[in-house]
Amino acid sequence: AQTVTQSQPEMSVQEAETVTLSCTYDTSENNYYLFWYKQPPSRQMILVIRQEAYKQQNATENRFSVNFQKAAKSFSLKISDSQLGDTAMYFCAFPTGANNLFFGTGTRLTVIP
Amino acid sequence: SQTIHQWPATLVQPVGSPLSLECTVEGTSNPNLYWYRQAAGRGLQLLFYSVGIGQISSEVPQNLSASRPQDRQFILSSKKLLLSDSGFYLCAWSVLFQETQYFGPGTRLLVL
Repeated sequence: AQTVTQSQPEMSVQEAETVTLSCTYDTSENNYYLFWYKQPPSRQMILVIRQEAYKQQNATENRFSVNFQKAAKSFSLKISDSQLGDTAMYFCAFPTGANNLFFGTGTRLTVIP
Repeated sequence: SQTIHQWPATLVQPVGSPLSLECTVEGTSNPNLYWYRQAAGRGLQLLFYSVGIGQISSEVPQNLSASRPQDRQFILSSKKLLLSDSGFYLCAWSVLFQETQYFGPGTRLLVL
């Protein structure tokens, strides 16, 4: 069965510091995408970053980067220079079958001023 | 650029009343469309997806139904709401399956 696990329900980080959110998954697929979404208090789901499994290079989007370890089925999100606006729920997501994004249970991140 | 709209933003309905939530996408043609539900403090559950007009697939048997009367319009409905239908409903679109999904602002539904 395909699963996504986020083992950190809540995390906090001081403003301007770096934080890493973890995600592990299980799949029998070989080519796939992995996603991190952010859900701020407004509750709109916003794409943060996407990783293609066949690419060895880790994806980077400004202050956001991933550490993708395909063999270990690990997909962590690193946020550098944390800002107050980064306070949100963060969901790791993974396509299951052909039609569905399976979401982890989320990590609530609080950036402390 | 593409945009996705949902309305209403918030809805309070009595048990047993009907429901109609609407989602429209602009700036793209023939998108894949999705309806998700998010219970408080939890992840997203896929309810329905659609690959084209009139084509609806249900992921979870429930009190809800979906329709796609136009290429960029996706509607979530119920004939009689249950208390358990309360939640946050998100519509999303993508170009292809297994690729990036883009979400609308969501609808908060409270059934009393």
